Amino acid sequence: LAKTTQPISMDSYEGQEVNITCSHNNIATNDYITWYQQFPSQGPRFIIQGYKTKVTNEVASLFIPADRKSSTLSLPRVSLSDTAVYYCLVVRDDKIIFGKGTRLHILP
Amino acid sequence: GAVVSQHPSRVICKSGTSVKIECRSLDFQATTMFWYRQFPKKSLMLMATSNEGSKATYEQGVEKDKFLINHASLTLSTLTVTSAHPEDSSFYICSANGGGSSYEQYFGPGTRLTVT
Repeated sequence: LAKTTQPISMDSYEGQEVNITCSHNNIATNDYITWYQQFPSQGPRFIIQGYKTKVTNEVASLFIPADRKSSTLSLPRVSLSDTAVYYCLVVRDDKIIFGKGTRLHILP
Repeated sequence: GAVVSQHPSRVICKSGTSVKIECRSLDFQATTMFWYRQFPKKSLMLMATSNEGSKATYEQGVEKDKFLINHASLTLSTLTVTSAHPEDSSFYICSANGGGSSYEQYFGPGTRLTVT
């Protein structure tokens, strides 16, 4: 499975747009890019998944360039409750291997 | 959406005893379930893949005789930590694959195990 690299931590302020970029240089043709959110002492929660170009749902957008070697999770107008760890994952078949994640801290 | 439950949510046991953790898919059938372990401030580490009706597949470095996994039905997988020691204290999380597209994997709320 392709290894992912993302910032260890990020700070932002309430109401701002937050973009978290992840690199996955060795992504394979059949791999999907998936992002999860995890709050302390809870299981991860699915945010969004994409294969290429742009995907948008009610909570986030995911931008994937044509070469698919990176992806950017965009969280519009964050609030304090968005403080969490965000994991960028490359999923092949059904096996998920977690990287270190990005610890996002939203400030008032 | 699909719901995965875990029981218990918290358990404290004495060193040397065994603890069983249940993972259930509540509204779908899961042919495959996964067990993870997470230490404080660390990422999730995949321990094993549990397949209904067959033996679990363990990741490298995970002792299969210590972490017994049983996936006896399409809605239940159990993880038994045998002869638990304080270093087994961790947050154990399961996930279930509902089949279909690759993102259909749902995580349970986790079980906090403390071994005294």
